[in-house]
Amino acid sequence: AQRVTQPEKLLSVFKGAPVELKCNYSYSGSPELFWYVQYSRQRLQLLLRHISRESIKGFTADLNKGETSFHLKKPFAQEEDSAMYYCALPKDIIQGAQKLVFGQGTRLTINP
Amino acid sequence: DSGVTQTPKHLITATGQRVTLRCSPRSGDLSVYWYQQSLDQGLQFLIQYYNGEERAKGNILERFSAQQFPDLHSELNLSSLELGDSALYFCASSVASGVEETQYFGPGTRLLVL
Repeated sequence: AQRVTQPEKLLSVFKGAPVELKCNYSYSGSPELFWYVQYSRQRLQLLLRHISRESIKGFTADLNKGETSFHLKKPFAQEEDSAMYYCALPKDIIQGAQKLVFGQGTRLTINP
Repeated sequence: DSGVTQTPKHLITATGQRVTLRCSPRSGDLSVYWYQQSLDQGLQFLIQYYNGEERAKGNILERFSAQQFPDLHSELNLSSLELGDSALYFCASSVASGVEETQYFGPGTRLLVL
């Protein structure tokens, strides 16, 4: 079954330090993966997706099929990065229908 | 706001009652998805509609139902409410329905069942 695992519920780093939020998945095919972010009292918003290979707000994520991982990284954390981060895998239920399978989320806190 | 909107923002009700949550998708989006976010279960997919038709069902209870109207807004109906139904309910929308689609989320409706 398709599954997304975020092993860290909480992650706390100091401002300016590197950040890595872990995401592992189980999927038999070639996955399309997303990172969503939820800032305090705001809606879930897309941070980045595997297929676009772009960097958003300094974050990048590389798909590692060998390790079945899609870790989110940023070299220098900023206080405004404090938020809840979700890794998600779209599951094609039937043709033309999909759902997002989410990890449990990691709450990132950036300390000044 | 041209994004996904949801009403109401907060809802407090009693066990056994019925409530309706409303979602308006982004302009041009044909697909609507409903998710439930609770502390113990995390974010769980409930149901998807595409252009008025149900496309996929997830972990949706029989007490819950949804529909998408001709103007593409959607409603999630929750009946015979139980304490465990207290959660944040998100609606999301996308242009179409394939796995390549990005889903855009609404602000959510926080339901508290007392």
